[in-house]
Amino acid sequence: EAGVTQSPTHLIKTRGQQVTLRCSPISGHTSVYWYQQALGLGLQFLLWYDEGEERNRGNFPPRFSGRQFPNYSSELNVNALELEDSALYLCASSLDGGAWQPQHFGDGTRLSIL
Amino acid sequence: QQQVKQSPQSLIVQKGGISIINCAYENTAFDYFPWYQQFPGKGPALLIAIRPDVSEKKEGRFTISFNKSAKQFSLHIMDSQPGDSATYFCAATLAGSGTYKYIFGTGTRLKVLA
Repeated sequence: EAGVTQSPTHLIKTRGQQVTLRCSPISGHTSVYWYQQALGLGLQFLLWYDEGEERNRGNFPPRFSGRQFPNYSSELNVNALELEDSALYLCASSLDGGAWQPQHFGDGTRLSIL
Repeated sequence: QQQVKQSPQSLIVQKGGISIINCAYENTAFDYFPWYQQFPGKGPALLIAIRPDVSEKKEGRFTISFNKSAKQFSLHIMDSQPGDSATYFCAATLAGSGTYKYIFGTGTRLKVLA
């Protein structure tokens, strides 16, 4: 069974630019979650999508947005990039949005802002 | 109240020893507590998880101990091996509430000496 796949693996951008990160969940999983892992810090919850709808959002500014497509894949968009956005962005998926379904993570996209 | 405090930040253990990582939480409504293992350049992988209706769960060399009254839970790695060297994250979530976002601890970097 293929795991959660993310693309690209690495990305370098400059301040003020915009970026789109992509995530394909495990086959059969309908929920997708996005987390930010800044260097030396834990994972911070960004967004949760289930059945194409945004279900929950973390404490991040509106320039972080995303969407989920009918095939359950997802995109994370970040506008007006700032230096502090440099981090590993992790996508996770779960079987559905039901209680106690474990989240399975991809290997992330490393975003560097110059 | 949404925080999960994890300790120690780093841990060095001899091969064959026991590694113990502790987490504490404030929100008594948390009802699902997973542990993740992360190797460099990889995403977190689910290791073991527990619900608060049990005090202990064991899977192979990994055991979660849960103390509901103290609002603490811990991961014990028995017979630690060099291959266990990784960063470990505890997490908590309000699985029954419909939010499903994980609140992660800040991680423990474990090094097992050969």
